[in-house]
Amino acid sequence: GENVEQHPSTLSVQEGDSAVIKCTYSDSASNYFPWYKQELGKRPQLIIDIRSNVGEKKDQRIAVTLNKTAKHFSLHITETQPEDSAVYFCAASKPGGGADGLTFGKGTHLIIQP
Amino acid sequence: NAGVTQTPKFQVLKTGQSMTLQCAQDMNHEYMSWYRQDPGMGLRLIHYSVGAGITDQGEVPNGYNVSRSTTEDFPLRLLSAAPSQTSVYFCASSPTPATNEKLFFGSGTQLSVL
Repeated sequence: GENVEQHPSTLSVQEGDSAVIKCTYSDSASNYFPWYKQELGKRPQLIIDIRSNVGEKKDQRIAVTLNKTAKHFSLHITETQPEDSAVYFCAASKPGGGADGLTFGKGTHLIIQP
Repeated sequence: NAGVTQTPKFQVLKTGQSMTLQCAQDMNHEYMSWYRQDPGMGLRLIHYSVGAGITDQGEVPNGYNVSRSTTEDFPLRLLSAAPSQTSVYFCASSPTPATNEKLFFGSGTQLSVL
């Protein structure tokens, strides 16, 4: 089945700086790559997603890039703010979903230092 | 819309007890799923359903049963609780039929098995 590796496990950046979280996946059939944000004690929430036919997608201060050849994708957060502090999960999914359709990384704890 | 509603929020069980975690959504989503979240492990799929009357196993189904008699409800049953089932459980639904894309998560159930 699919295997998603996520790095780093913890990332501390100064407020206003950029943060980059990287994920790699193993199954070349995966074609959907979402990112979820989970604040402490809260539910995961989708913040951005990308399909394999797109190399980059932006939404205000966040962006995701995808390199299909290398099988890795990254989350970029610019001008970080205190409310960006959370755990971020990447995931990879094959067409149609199913039992092994969505595999999550183990998460990155992003800490924004004031 | 209330979105995805889970009950209870917290539960303590003794080994061998059974219980049902409730999940309901009012968004008319066909796809519903259950995940468990353990520290450092990300989210792992337990069971999922692509519509009323249809359920299937995910990555970690052992010790859990599900049913889907209506579009709205997707309860998760623990048949004989074990300490290894201590976890946070999330129910999630998707607006995209038969896929796990753009998941909406419930607020979670924190379960402790003693």
